[in-house]
Amino acid sequence: EPEVTQTPSHQVTQMGQEVILRCVPISNHLYFYWYRQILGQKVEFLVSFYNNEISEKSEIFDDQFSVERPDGSNFTLKIRSTKLEDSAMYFCASREGYLDGYTFGSGTRLTVV
Amino acid sequence: RKEVEQDPGPFNVPEGATVAFNCTYSNSASQSFFWYRQDCRKEPKLLMSVYSSGNEDGRFTAQLNRASQYISLLIRDSKLSDSATYLCVVARGSSNTGKLIFGQGTTLQVKP
Repeated sequence: EPEVTQTPSHQVTQMGQEVILRCVPISNHLYFYWYRQILGQKVEFLVSFYNNEISEKSEIFDDQFSVERPDGSNFTLKIRSTKLEDSAMYFCASREGYLDGYTFGSGTRLTVV
Repeated sequence: RKEVEQDPGPFNVPEGATVAFNCTYSNSASQSFFWYRQDCRKEPKLLMSVYSSGNEDGRFTAQLNRASQYISLLIRDSKLSDSATYLCVVARGSSNTGKLIFGQGTTLQVKP
């Protein structure tokens, strides 16, 4: 079964440092997403990406965040200057079409110290 | 008010029991509805989509009431392996978005 792949599985970084979280969506999928889940809280939408541009972003997705799809396979989330409150599990997701189900990656656990 | 509300539980049930989870959503523009399952520190996994006509997948039955903005999940003959957090999820947005809005989740613990 096709998978969404995320790397690394766990990243520890110092406050103020930049991090890049990487995702390889399923190859024929057209819609890409980042979600995050702070420990003990619900999964929250960050950003959606379609046709090589951001289609929607949440209030959480401020100027410190950016996304890129630099080639035909990778989809990255960059946090420019990490804060303690950015510590969370970050999930990448993709889907083929508008009415299709979403497939989530196994997540990257980001710990900011 | 939370956009998707669920009773967080936990629901502690014996093996073989029938258990029902409920969920309400506040935004009538919600377009699609799902139940996801999440195991501890893992990614959400799609359990089933939810339709107004009701749908069943083995031991799982889901129902949507658009008028009441209410979604339900029924699990029959609970197994130990059903222990997890069940997430009520709605999708809405433009044709280019379709973002998911998650509830807090309901924790189920099935005991021998």
